[in-house]
Amino acid sequence: QVQLQESGPGLVKPSETLSLTCTVSGYSISSGYYWGWIRQPPGKGLEWIGSIYHSGSTYYNPSLKSRVTISVDTSKNQFSLKLSSVTAADTAVYYCARDPPGSGMDVWGKGTTVTVSS
Amino acid sequence: EIVMTQSPATLSVSPGERATLSCRASQSVSSNLAWYQQKPGQAPRLLIYGASTRATGIPARFSGSGSGTEFTLTISSLQSEDFAVYYCQQYNNWPQTFGQGTKLEIK
Repeated sequence: QVQLQESGPGLVKPSETLSLTCTVSGYSISSGYYWGWIRQPPGKGLEWIGSIYHSGSTYYNPSLKSRVTISVDTSKNQFSLKLSSVTAADTAVYYCARDPPGSGMDVWGKGTTVTVSS
Repeated sequence: EIVMTQSPATLSVSPGERATLSCRASQSVSSNLAWYQQKPGQAPRLLIYGASTRATGIPARFSGSGSGTEFTLTISSLQSEDFAVYYCQQYNNWPQTFGQGTKLEIK
């Protein structure tokens, strides 16, 4: 059974960098597929942040592209998100998900809440 | 960027009745459309992909249709556990984009 688990600080100060990691179990990232990050501000809808292929190629949301970096560590079966220069508007639940081509995001982590506040 | 518009924002339906949710794309996404269900405090769950293919373990009362720019999610005979927020998502073009969601509530 494939499972994804987000981890990282729940509180980040304004102007600092948000860093999250998604640990995958039950499936080897290096076997294929895209792996994505999605966020959901309190009371709002879903926003795709970006996705990374197992080989390392990336796609980012243009609205966040200047601040986002997604990377993959196949040796640890993890992929990570860094979002720089955060503001209160980046406060959200952050999800990681498996993103097979042509199939929608079929496995999601439970999500982790990140609050940006001093 | 492709804009996904869902309607209505809120849909009130009685248990046992049929619910029809709509999703429109600002340009063609072919059949590269997914539907998700999200309950409070939970991650989204994939219901439909390829516009009409049910994901693993999804009951047959959920069905999807459409292609191009117009899509529909139908839930026949609503069960209590179906009251939730539903999102459509296109994955035909980068960036992937979600609709704003339809809240399905008990009438």
